[in-house]
Amino acid sequence: SQQGEEDPQALSIQEGENATMNCSYKTSINNLQWYRQNSGRGLVHLILIRSNEREKHSGRLRVTLDTSKKSSSLLITASRAADTASYFCATGGIPNFGNEKLTFGTGTRLTIIP
Amino acid sequence: DTEVTQTPKHLVMGMTNKKSLKCEQHMGHRAMYWYKQKAKKPPELMFVYSYEKLSINESVPSRFSPECPNSSLLNLHLHALQPEDSALYLCASSQEGRGASFSTDTQYFGPGTRLTVL
Repeated sequence: SQQGEEDPQALSIQEGENATMNCSYKTSINNLQWYRQNSGRGLVHLILIRSNEREKHSGRLRVTLDTSKKSSSLLITASRAADTASYFCATGGIPNFGNEKLTFGTGTRLTIIP
Repeated sequence: DTEVTQTPKHLVMGMTNKKSLKCEQHMGHRAMYWYKQKAKKPPELMFVYSYEKLSINESVPSRFSPECPNSSLLNLHLHALQPEDSALYLCASSQEGRGASFSTDTQYFGPGTRLTVL
C-alpha cells in the first residue's frame, strides 16, 4: 500500500504559533497534495506539489517535498483558531504503474488553542 | 459555481432498504469520484468516473452501485447494506477526465452524506 503515514497524529498549539505536520509514503509518486477537513465535513484542497518540486508556498502554508526520503511537510505559520481541523496528505501515483489515484495518509488532527 | 453538492446530508436506512446518494457539480469537470470515510480514518476511493464512464472500481461490493447519468451528476445506489457500511460518503470531482494521470489531479470535494445503517 502507498498510504502515507502522518505524524503527529494529533497536535495542539497556541494561536499564533506555527504548526508543522509530516507525511511519509512508500512508493514513487507523481505529486503530493495536502487537504484540510473540518469535523465531519468534506475535504478542501490546500496545495499540490509535483515530484520535481522541492518547496511550495501558498499564503501561510509552506510545503516541502523530499522524494529521496519519501517525505513531505506542511507548515502553517501564525496559526488561527479557524485552522483547527484534520490535515491529510494525499499521494498521486505515477501514471501507467497501476496506481493512478490519490491515496490519503492517516491524517493529523490540529487543534489551535485561542 | 465552484462547489460540489451532495444530498442528503444525513441518511438512516435499514438493511433491507434501497436508497440513493446524489452528487452534483457545475464546474464542467469531467471526472467524478466516490469515497468512503470511516470515523478518524482517511477517505478510501470507491469509484472513478471519466466522461460518464466507469474508470476505476476499487473492488467495491455490489450492494453499492454507481451511476453517472450526465457530466454533472453522480449517483450511488445502495441496497442491502450492512451496519459496517455506516460512514461518511464523499463525492469529488476533478477538471480533466482524460490522460494517464487525471485521477491524481486536484480534487474538489462535496460536504458528504453521513450514512447510518441499522
